[in-house]
Amino acid sequence: DAGITQSPRHKVTETGTPVTLRCHQTENHRYMYWYRQDPGHGLRLIHYSYGVKDTDKGEVSDGYSVSRSKTEDFLLTLESATSSQTSVYFCAIRSGTGDFAEAFFGQGTRLTVV
Amino acid sequence: DQQVKQNSPSLSVQEGRISILNCDYTNSMFDYFLWYKKYPAEGPTFLISISSIKDKNEDGRFTVFLNKSAKHLSLHIVPSQPGDSAVYFCAASVRTGANNLFFGTGTRLTVIP
Repeated sequence: DAGITQSPRHKVTETGTPVTLRCHQTENHRYMYWYRQDPGHGLRLIHYSYGVKDTDKGEVSDGYSVSRSKTEDFLLTLESATSSQTSVYFCAIRSGTGDFAEAFFGQGTRLTVV
Repeated sequence: DQQVKQNSPSLSVQEGRISILNCDYTNSMFDYFLWYKKYPAEGPTFLISISSIKDKNEDGRFTVFLNKSAKHLSLHIVPSQPGDSAVYFCAASVRTGANNLFFGTGTRLTVIP
């Protein structure tokens, strides 16, 4: 299994509170991604990183920010959680070497905003 | 706007028979396609992929077919086994930059023993 750890695995938070999800990798991969999975939508890209301090927005970035201060850690922050952000969040990593490399996913974080 | 579509939310197949999962895409710039398998409470796991320069890729019981003119791909599982029961996601990418993956909505496959 690819060395990806997401924390926490489950979280319940109140509307309006800030929340930070952590993704930690031990593979030294260049690319890291945050996705959310919702019924009827599949997985949608929130933000991604192509190196330390290099990040960009995905399809559904509103209300989210990210930071990557070290190769191994990619943080996703909900500045002020809303009920629409209740979802399962997945982190993914990809090496970026060669012609194309598939992404490996973490176990997911189930976030409930009440 | 969903660029990758899986129009069948679910599929049930008898053990030993063929499972065929379908996927359509709209963006002609996509040049790499992947299938992921997902069990409950786990992250998606990579299953098989195909480049746009090919029309078929096979790996054991799994074969992916790509029809570029129709913007359609399919995953064949033969023979289907109960352990194949999972949600299958089709994904597409452009092989430049960060290679972001665009996913379909998934098809839940149930293999009946």
